[in-house]
Amino acid sequence: GENVEQHPSTLSVQEGDSAVIKCTYSDSASNYFPWYKQELGKRPQLIIDIRSNVGEKKDQRIAVTLNKTAKHFSLHITETQPEDSAVYFCAAPGFQKLVFGTGTRLLVSP
Amino acid sequence: DSGVTQTPKHLITATGQRVTLRCSPRSGDLSVYWYQQSLDQGLQFLIQYYNGEERAKGNILERFSAQQFPDLHSELNLSSLELGDSALYFCASSANTSAWDMNTEAFFGQGTRLTVV
Repeated sequence: GENVEQHPSTLSVQEGDSAVIKCTYSDSASNYFPWYKQELGKRPQLIIDIRSNVGEKKDQRIAVTLNKTAKHFSLHITETQPEDSAVYFCAAPGFQKLVFGTGTRLLVSP
Repeated sequence: DSGVTQTPKHLITATGQRVTLRCSPRSGDLSVYWYQQSLDQGLQFLIQYYNGEERAKGNILERFSAQQFPDLHSELNLSSLELGDSALYFCASSANTSAWDMNTEAFFGQGTRLTVV
């Protein structure tokens, strides 16, 4: 939390490829890491989250991995589809607020 | 539908004016957050309220203020508006059990798109 860095800022893949987005955080006390998807002009929506007591969580084509020692977590999307095109934000708890990464614009080309 | 309601959806106003954005959190959620998102930018934290009390402030301008009422709805007041204040303003709420508990999903409203001309 407090400082969350997200990479890359843009990511272009072909349909069917995998996409990986990485985030690092600074507060070692953080223990909740959500990922939000925001389609153009719409609200951010939670797609998956992970808590510090597990290292990986999957939900169909989406997975999140967490490395607490290195203080980074990643979003993995497999078999990407055009409807996966959006901006993805990672987040981590800060002091009484959720701190968001700067976002990754994912473009999936047919 | 996230259960968080923001009004109005769109607002166009002139520089120097004052506007009020309204947010109704999900039923039972005590925490309300306000975020600003400028064009193609990230989510900038403005302010958080928990059960009527201000709990955290981000890079919120002095021209901006907010409050949370006893019924838990919140208002964000923007005054002396400038062109650069044009942005999407999101409200989010969460069911965290205390102001310090950030381990709970935040649900976002649809946002208010403010255009200052």
